[in-house]
Amino acid sequence: DIQMTQSPSSLSASVADRVTITCRASQGISNYLAWYQQKPGKVPNLLIYAASTLQSGVPSRFSGSGSGTDFTLTISSLQPEDVATYYCQKYNSAPYTFGQGTKLEIK
Amino acid sequence: QVQLVESGGGVVQPGRSLRLSCAVSGFTFSSYAMHWVRQAPGKGLEWVALVSFDGSNKYYADSVKGRFTISRDNSKNTLYLQMNSLRAEDTAVYYCARDSAALPAAIFDYWGQGTLVSVSS
Repeated sequence: DIQMTQSPSSLSASVADRVTITCRASQGISNYLAWYQQKPGKVPNLLIYAASTLQSGVPSRFSGSGSGTDFTLTISSLQPEDVATYYCQKYNSAPYTFGQGTKLEIK
Repeated sequence: QVQLVESGGGVVQPGRSLRLSCAVSGFTFSSYAMHWVRQAPGKGLEWVALVSFDGSNKYYADSVKGRFTISRDNSKNTLYLQMNSLRAEDTAVYYCARDSAALPAAIFDYWGQGTLVSVSS
């Protein structure tokens, strides 16, 4: 099975910083990659699919890129409400594995 | 608006069974594949199972294969997860999630609030 590895596992940044989270697949998955945000105590929320397509209603400061095995989620200007754990997920075929998560905090 | 409401969680002894339900509203249930995703306390997300829009295709994570069964009743707008031979490691919040498509795309665009399953003697 394909493994998904995120880095870093945790991250602390200041408001207005540019933040980048990386997700690496153990085998190529084309662009079958989604990103989810889970705020503390809340349900996961879809941010991006097809590696770079922003889900409706998601702020434009979020963006995604990559293809094959290496992907990134970027927040262009970190806001306090972005405190959350972020997960990547592959969906080219079952099992639809998630990365282990990146916990983002405000410095 | 789209709503997914899980029920059926609780405390159960190892080896016993439990059935989860997910009642949906606000969209045409029979037009979408559906999934169960779980999250152990303080841990990450784990995909559990998928059923296609018409129930004809089902897929499972290796960790639950042979013990869990996903099903759906499109006449009742309800998704199910029958969990047998439960183990301590099945302890988690179980979310039902809508797929973005009828044939599985496995992009989870709506999630329920989750129901907690605790397996303990």
